[in-house]
Amino acid sequence: RKEVEQDPGPFNVPEGATVAFNCTYSNSASQSFFWYRQDCRKEPKLLMSVYSSGNEDGRFTAQLNRASQYISLLIRDSKLSDSATYLCVVNFGNQFYFGTGTSLTVIP
Amino acid sequence: DADVTQTPRNRITKTGKRIMLECSQTKGHDRMYWYRQDPGLGLRLIYYSFDVKDINKGEISDGYSVSRQAQAKFSLSLESAIPNQTALYFCATRATGDTEAFFGQGTRLTVV
Repeated sequence: RKEVEQDPGPFNVPEGATVAFNCTYSNSASQSFFWYRQDCRKEPKLLMSVYSSGNEDGRFTAQLNRASQYISLLIRDSKLSDSATYLCVVNFGNQFYFGTGTSLTVIP
Repeated sequence: DADVTQTPRNRITKTGKRIMLECSQTKGHDRMYWYRQDPGLGLRLIYYSFDVKDINKGEISDGYSVSRQAQAKFSLSLESAIPNQTALYFCATRATGDTEAFFGQGTRLTVV
């Protein structure tokens, strides 16, 4: 069983739409949680950390449910520039574990 | 200039050849990692190091070796490259106690 599971998509949405990505993790002792963004053939970059209380950064909202071992990312008012792959990342035992990524294409 | 630099950026090599991928960082981080990325499999950890002379195997270390020559440098070697080592390789760094990882721009390796 993979440590981190994500729906690979692809998600194709029109500009202005709201889209949600989900992720589950297997190790209940996981310590910290993140969403990274990866553009085609580029390196992953931190989008935001994820906290149980939920956190928001502009159009992006991340949520963690420790009881269900579930992480979510909500993007509101999608822009063309949001097109990328979104990686769910979990940290435990001094290591990062990556989901396979969810591909998003925002269509004009 | 990038904080985490990988060389080469692209490489084509033949089966059986030895190849070294280099990573250097100017962030002053003590922790460094090597990952490979394959379509449908995500990033998988090959080796990691928490300090000079500290080397730890990751999930998929077979066929690879590493060297932490200095705090700022972490090299990945393929002693005898094989075609299924064709992948995108990323180096990453992180400071102890900090949670964000910073990635190099990647090395696209093709073994023919």
